[in-house]
Amino acid sequence: EAQVTQNPRYLITVTGKKLTVTCSQNMNHEYMSWYRQDPGLGLRQIYYSMNVEVTDKGDVPEGYKVSRKEKRNFPLILESPSPNQTSLYFCASSLGGGIETQYFGPGTRLLVL
Amino acid sequence: QKEVEQNSGPLSVPEGAIASLNCTYSDRVSQSFFWYRQYSGKSPELIMSIYSNGDKEDGRFTAQLNKASQYVSLLIRDSQPSDSATYLCAVNTNSGGYQKVTFGIGTKLQVIP
Repeated sequence: EAQVTQNPRYLITVTGKKLTVTCSQNMNHEYMSWYRQDPGLGLRQIYYSMNVEVTDKGDVPEGYKVSRKEKRNFPLILESPSPNQTSLYFCASSLGGGIETQYFGPGTRLLVL
Repeated sequence: QKEVEQNSGPLSVPEGAIASLNCTYSDRVSQSFFWYRQYSGKSPELIMSIYSNGDKEDGRFTAQLNKASQYVSLLIRDSQPSDSATYLCAVNTNSGGYQKVTFGIGTKLQVIP
């Protein structure tokens, strides 16, 4: 089954404790992206990747890191989480960039205390 | 001015009625337009994509695009309670030479039985 998976689905952590949210797709998509979704603000892009070893900042990259060492994986790293990073996070993938349909993972709900 | 604007709603329609969802965008050279449906706590899923001026129909859904007015809409005929969700408008935009997708905040639709 074609899908985007994320882990964990739910995470409660404390300020400053490094965490990684994994994202994997099995559709051989070149483009992958991370979004956060907050009430009243909609989906905002954090980072995106056009292909292996090619990543760039989206609209709200502060406090986040990403890497793309393999085509299928695109982990999101929070080196020192803060309460303002409490949010619902989605990973998405598509064949290409902005002109292609994106397929979303199930989401990761993060609470930073 | 936001790049993609939607009324957050809620938009309430009775079961069986036509629901009309609207979206305006600011980038005149945008080429790709998407409507995603998102149930509460779930990930967005694509309903329609449209690339040319005019109407595109798929079952009970019709997407309408007017590039001159920078306006895209989604009509849902014979609305059902299961259509109650948030509908996200997404538009491709040119960001530093890269085509990215920008999302509106979404319109919450409530179909009243």
